[in-house]
Amino acid sequence: NAGVTQTPKFRVLKTGQSMTLLCAQDMNHEYMYWYRQDPGMGLRLIHYSVGEGTTAKGEVPDGYNVSRLKKQNFLLGLESAAPSQTSVYFCASSYSRLAGGGEQYFGPGTRLTVT
Amino acid sequence: AQKVTQAQTEISVVEKEDVTLDCVYETRDTTYYLFWYKQPPSGELVFLIRRNSFDEQNEISGRYSWNFQKSTSSFNFTITASQVVDSAVYFCALSEMNYGGATNKLIFGTGTLLAVQP
Repeated sequence: NAGVTQTPKFRVLKTGQSMTLLCAQDMNHEYMYWYRQDPGMGLRLIHYSVGEGTTAKGEVPDGYNVSRLKKQNFLLGLESAAPSQTSVYFCASSYSRLAGGGEQYFGPGTRLTVT
Repeated sequence: AQKVTQAQTEISVVEKEDVTLDCVYETRDTTYYLFWYKQPPSGELVFLIRRNSFDEQNEISGRYSWNFQKSTSSFNFTITASQVVDSAVYFCALSEMNYGGATNKLIFGTGTLLAVQP
């Protein structure tokens, strides 16, 4: 099993450009999440999904959109990148709590720089 | 509001010393989960432990141990006989419970950077 994978690993964007980050998991997890990690601030939840076709806002959703068209994939989009979106982005997935889950499994991260 | 506080920003120890990382949480829920994750210099996040609010037994796994005390809302992590490979950022996290259906959302502390010197 590959676990949780993220594409790309690194990206540099100019202000105003758009891009999509792809997250894929092969563990048949119901739930998926996107976080950003900034120095001194830990990880903050951007958006999450509790099942195929569903998405919801997290703590810091502004400037981002997401889609979950397939159970195994969770896409994070930046429509018009801003320097404040320079960060490391982590995707995670987990079983539902009813299935006895709780811990999240993380991808390797994507380092995004917006100039 | 739910919150996780890791007051220790950085800790530096010499190899073989014991070290305790503090975690204090706030929640109004009676049922919740607490977690510890490790982030080594390579950057990935590694799950270490999950503990639910009904289980206050301490846990030991090799050189790692965890002390959960509901009375003080703390979930502290101790590494015994630290090693250079323990150098990492350690995050404590709290899982939110929604009455409308649990989402497993995690609220992270800001992390503690542990540096173990040889």
